Amino acid sequence: RKEVEQDPGPFNVPEGATVAFNCTYSNSASQSFFWYRQDCRKEPKLLMSVYSSGNEDGRFTAQLNRASQYISLLIRDSKLSDSATYLCVVNRVRRGSQGNLIFGKGTKLSVKP
Amino acid sequence: DAGITQSPRHKVTETGTPVTLRCHQTENHRYMYWYRQDPGHGLRLIHYSYGVKDTDKGEVSDGYSVSRSKTEDFLLTLESATSSQTSVYFCAISESETGAGYTFGSGTRLTVV
Repeated sequence: RKEVEQDPGPFNVPEGATVAFNCTYSNSASQSFFWYRQDCRKEPKLLMSVYSSGNEDGRFTAQLNRASQYISLLIRDSKLSDSATYLCVVNRVRRGSQGNLIFGKGTKLSVKP
Repeated sequence: DAGITQSPRHKVTETGTPVTLRCHQTENHRYMYWYRQDPGHGLRLIHYSYGVKDTDKGEVSDGYSVSRSKTEDFLLTLESATSSQTSVYFCAISESETGAGYTFGSGTRLTVV
């Protein structure tokens, strides 16, 4: 199993749609989870952290299922400006350390008028 | 936005020449990272630093070296550039090892001809 795996997409959705992205990770000892957003030819930017109890930030909801080693991101009422690539991020656990972050290859979202 | 700048933003160089990319931060963060991003591979860690003069290898470190003589600067050197090192290079910083995620610089587009 790859360390962090995402469906590459692209997801093409109309404005106003709800879209969900999924991600799986291989190391059950991982403790830190994030979603990043990357616009074309730009740097990745932190969208939100993912907490065990699930968390919401406006139209965005993140969920974590530790038993299945699965992370999700739900975007409600999609906007044109949501078009970007969404990166699933997990820490690489090393002996005695939380390790650094591993980035998934990303899921591309295109929101159409 | 966090104070992190990369230079140069774009560079074209010839095969076999040494190249140094610079990452400068004004946040006094302990951790600094160099990633490369290529189509089909996502972000891959080259080297990272956990303090002045403290560095370690990432997953794709061959052909690269780094130095950190001051908290604010992290240099990436391609000892003898090859065409396979044509890529977009991102520097990132963080206060803790994984904590609240990383903040990225705007990237350096390097072309080796």
